[in-house]
Amino acid sequence: GNSVTQMEGPVTLSEEAFLTINCTYTATGYPSLFWYVQYPGEGLQLLLKATKADDKGSNKGFEATYRKETTSFHLEKGSVQVSDSAVYFCAPPKGNTGKLIFGQGTTLQVKP
Amino acid sequence: AAGVIQSPRHLIKEKRETATLKCYPIPRHDTVYWYQQGPGQDPQFLISFYEKMQSDKGSIPDRFSAQQFSDYHSELNMSSLELGDSALYFCASSLRGTVPYEQYFGPGTRLTVT
Repeated sequence: GNSVTQMEGPVTLSEEAFLTINCTYTATGYPSLFWYVQYPGEGLQLLLKATKADDKGSNKGFEATYRKETTSFHLEKGSVQVSDSAVYFCAPPKGNTGKLIFGQGTTLQVKP
Repeated sequence: AAGVIQSPRHLIKEKRETATLKCYPIPRHDTVYWYQQGPGQDPQFLISFYEKMQSDKGSIPDRFSAQQFSDYHSELNMSSLELGDSALYFCASSLRGTVPYEQYFGPGTRLTVT
């Protein structure tokens, strides 16, 4: 079945370091791809989205490009901050109803 | 801007009791999704509704039922609660026809079964 594989965490970085969280998915034909973020004790927030192949989503300094040829949607940020500490989920929608299939989540810890 | 509202935010129940969780989608959104997130787990899809009809079903136990009402709010009814039902329950809403399946999540209801 369709699945999502995310980079295992926790990922621990120093402030201003470069971040990459890998996400790959099986199946094809996703209409869009999403990254969601969950800050400690909070709900899920849409971080960024890409609505077609080769589309780049960006928000708050984060970027991810929908790579159909490599079935990937890796999340990057050039300079992380302590406030970026959270759990990040790669989540493509499945089927024609759009239920989200979440990756296992990657915990990011940024130290001052 | 209005967001998804869930109530209650916290709920404590005993085993074998019943619980009802409510979700109020963003105004004009026609689709509601329910997800369950166990401790340290990723969210798992339970069920969804589009225009008051069930549109998809995931790993939802038979003890659970849900519906979407004429005002588009949704309720998740959980009976014969078990310790393993302790989790964070999220509701999300979307508007079909916009960015494909972009979902906005509520803050969640934290259910604790003792």
